[in-house]
Amino acid sequence: DSGVTQTPKHLITATGQRVTLRCSPRSGDLSVYWYQQSLDQGLQFLIQYYNGEERAKGNILERFSAQQFPDLHSELNLSSLELGDSALYFCASSVVASGGAGEQFFGPGTRLTVL
Amino acid sequence: AQSVTQLGSHVSVSEGALVLLRCNYSSSVPPYLFWYVQYPNQGLQLLLKYTSAATLVKGINGFEAEFKKSETSFHLTKPSAHMSDAAEYFCAVSVVGANSKLTFGKGITLSVRP
Repeated sequence: DSGVTQTPKHLITATGQRVTLRCSPRSGDLSVYWYQQSLDQGLQFLIQYYNGEERAKGNILERFSAQQFPDLHSELNLSSLELGDSALYFCASSVVASGGAGEQFFGPGTRLTVL
Repeated sequence: AQSVTQLGSHVSVSEGALVLLRCNYSSSVPPYLFWYVQYPNQGLQLLLKYTSAATLVKGINGFEAEFKKSETSFHLTKPSAHMSDAAEYFCAVSVVGANSKLTFGKGITLSVRP
């Protein structure tokens, strides 16, 4: 158990809908990262928040957005869903904001299926 | 920008045999390198990491990796495979900078035959 929790575990929805994925980082970790894992794209970095502020953006679509709240939990919002958004979405947390050497602890993921 | 190449998508070994999973990286600045393991229906777990100290890094579950700058490689090895090692393995790179995002390779599925 990494200490990172993600809800829900599974999500099945229809095209055009909007969903929210939730992540609670390990106690004491200020950084939250979101990654998408799909068969064709592999594991891709989406976005990072540190202590409530956006720190870095990766291959995140404009239809997707995220935020980190004062209690440090984070939400990833996916809207106007398409079939291609079906994937496993991971949240990870770490103590550091930058520097590159800090270990990231991954949650169990949310499996999103868009029908 | 940094990148990681993991050649091949599947490696199969016999129980007790040597495990060798290859990883090559590309980075314009000194990298930090990681190996993560993903068991079925689980998240990623860190096996080991290189952060510019010793070039031979020992990790959990008997795995180790050697950083070779001249070859831009960070191959993962284990002397004797166990059935429980069957999983997907990801090599990842990050660099010193404004953030610490991980750039992952495509992953390699390791199968262990009895």
